[in-house]
Amino acid sequence: SQTIHQWPATLVQPVGSPLSLECTVEGTSNPNLYWYRQAAGRGLQLLFYSVGIGQISSEVPQNLSASRPQDRQFILSSKKLLLSDSGFYLCAWSTANDQPQHFGDGTRLSIL
Amino acid sequence: QKEVEQNSGPLSVPEGAIASLNCTYSDRVSQSFFWYRQYSGKSPELIMSIYSNGDKEDGRFTAQLNKASQYVSLLIRDSQPSDSATYLCAATPSGSARQLTFGSGTQLTVLP
Repeated sequence: SQTIHQWPATLVQPVGSPLSLECTVEGTSNPNLYWYRQAAGRGLQLLFYSVGIGQISSEVPQNLSASRPQDRQFILSSKKLLLSDSGFYLCAWSTANDQPQHFGDGTRLSIL
Repeated sequence: QKEVEQNSGPLSVPEGAIASLNCTYSDRVSQSFFWYRQYSGKSPELIMSIYSNGDKEDGRFTAQLNKASQYVSLLIRDSQPSDSATYLCAATPSGSARQLTFGSGTQLTVLP
């Protein structure tokens, strides 16, 4: 069966510091991969998605970036965090665009 | 107009009652639909998928799709306090370049 791992579960970072969140999927090949952000009490905001190694699509202009160095690895990064980057970051995978997405446990990021 | 719309609620029902959650979609969105449950502080969990007109039942959950009226609903029979969560409706858009579109969610509280 397929599993998705996302870490860390919680993270507290100062403004201006860098960020790296990692997500890996097991049990499937060539998945679509996604990064979402969810502000408190709000809906899901799609940040990036990838349909293959090195292929990244950005949905919203951010000071964030994403990379997919391996088939089942998806990384969310920032060089300098802003207060507005606080939120619940979720990684997800699917087998195709028209199939349901499956989420990791998420990372709760607080910026001080 | 948002592509997928939900009543944000909150919706409160007494324990044992039927909870009815509704979702409408624009005609730009294709016809695969998914319901997710998200407990407070947790990631969304897929609970139902529906692809064709009519009803689909899974335990206490029934998803209903009406393509002519462009709505999809989720019924929860014999509601339990453990069903208290935010329910997200999602739909896949037509065309290969787009991704799953989520509604903003309906918060459900089941009162004991």
